[in-house]
Amino acid sequence: GAVVSQHPSWVICKSGTSVKIECRSLDFQATTMFWYRQFPKQSLMLMATSNEGSKATYEQGVEKDKFLINHASLTLSTLTVTSAHPEDSSFYICSATRAAGSNQPQHFGDGTRLSIL
Amino acid sequence: AQSVAQPEDQVNVAEGNPLTVKCTYSVSGNPYLFWYVQYPNRGLQFLLKYITGDNLVKGSYGFEAEFNKSQTSFHLKKPSALVSDSALYFCAVRPPNSGYALNFGKGTSLLVTP
Repeated sequence: GAVVSQHPSWVICKSGTSVKIECRSLDFQATTMFWYRQFPKQSLMLMATSNEGSKATYEQGVEKDKFLINHASLTLSTLTVTSAHPEDSSFYICSATRAAGSNQPQHFGDGTRLSIL
Repeated sequence: AQSVAQPEDQVNVAEGNPLTVKCTYSVSGNPYLFWYVQYPNRGLQFLLKYITGDNLVKGSYGFEAEFNKSQTSFHLKKPSALVSDSALYFCAVRPPNSGYALNFGKGTSLLVTP
């Protein structure tokens, strides 16, 4: 159990394009989902915390108008990189946690490799 | 401030030998501690967690970790390494009363040679 699906797994697009990444919890309800960014050979950097039915909480330094997050249901959160530029190229990973208990582990999607030309 | 540290960028071990990947934390109170593994171009897979109770925690794929409060450590161990264990390992801490957010260490690359 606790499967998180992330789609697409790989995106290559031109500069200026907006890209939407989906994160779905397949077999559990997730009131909270997280979006991370990972640079090569580095750790995960938390971008934002997404709560179902409310606005996302962004970490310091993350542009909320650049990285739009929507968490419309208990099983789906989306991250839209608007007007993407080469510096936005990265590996984006989502995770989800079950509704109850902060001692529950986060379950991660397989990530999305975003390459902006 | 960094709340979890993984002092080793890379750990090399021969197949069949025991392995240890180190992690120390620096948060007050009683944090929740986690280990995750990441294979190339994949997300993170949960290995094990420490919340309370026994200091030795057993997890997936034969891994275990020992919580040491006096040394503020949570080292990951396996008695006999496999080549397939080669991956990137992340220690993470969830400070008390912090909600669900995790602070990750920088990761340790484990290489198991035949």
